[in-house]
Amino acid sequence: TQLLEQSPQFLSIQEGENLTVYCNSSSVFSSLQWYRQEPGEGPVLLVTVVTGGEVKKLKRLTFQFGDARKDSSLHITAAQPGDTGLYLCAGEETSGSRLTFGEGTQLTVNP
Amino acid sequence: DAGVTQSPTHLIKTRGQQVTLRCSPKSGHDTVSWYQQALGQGPQFIFQYYEEEERQRGNFPDRFSGHQFPNYSSELNVNALLLGDSALYLCASSYPGGTEAFFGQGTRLTVV
Repeated sequence: TQLLEQSPQFLSIQEGENLTVYCNSSSVFSSLQWYRQEPGEGPVLLVTVVTGGEVKKLKRLTFQFGDARKDSSLHITAAQPGDTGLYLCAGEETSGSRLTFGEGTQLTVNP
Repeated sequence: DAGVTQSPTHLIKTRGQQVTLRCSPKSGHDTVSWYQQALGQGPQFIFQYYEEEERQRGNFPDRFSGHQFPNYSSELNVNALLLGDSALYLCASSYPGGTEAFFGQGTRLTVV
């Protein structure tokens, strides 16, 4: 069974600070996805990374896939209160297969 | 495009009862997956349906069953409900062999 470990589990920061969330596994994934989830809602897809070493940027968010496709990171620059939410990483064993999720990082950005 | 829609949004059931949850995939998607998300945890894969057949299954008991219809919509059935089945049930759809999954808003099931 493939497992994804996400850290930190909780993060509370002030507006304007930078942060990084990590997603690690001993297994290789064909792709890795990052989601953001608000209370009572389903996860919303932020980005998919497929190639080892790939870096994708989405405004103030930077996503990186490890060279060996076993780990990933999400970096947020100058966090804003609107970034508050549960951030989930999810790995896919093969294209179109099940997603294995991490436990999530609950981010709170205080004004 | 309505995206992935699930019904109902909330449900309260008694232990031992049976429940059916419904999902309509995003337009153009033919693969539907179901996940269970307990409070404070990441979603756990239940099963995936493609061409009206269960293609993959997670570590869930036989009390959890599903169905996919010719129009690609899907149902999740849970029999003999337990208190521990209380969770947010999420449906996700994707293209065949597609990498990206799109989620519905979920059904919050409470078993009392």
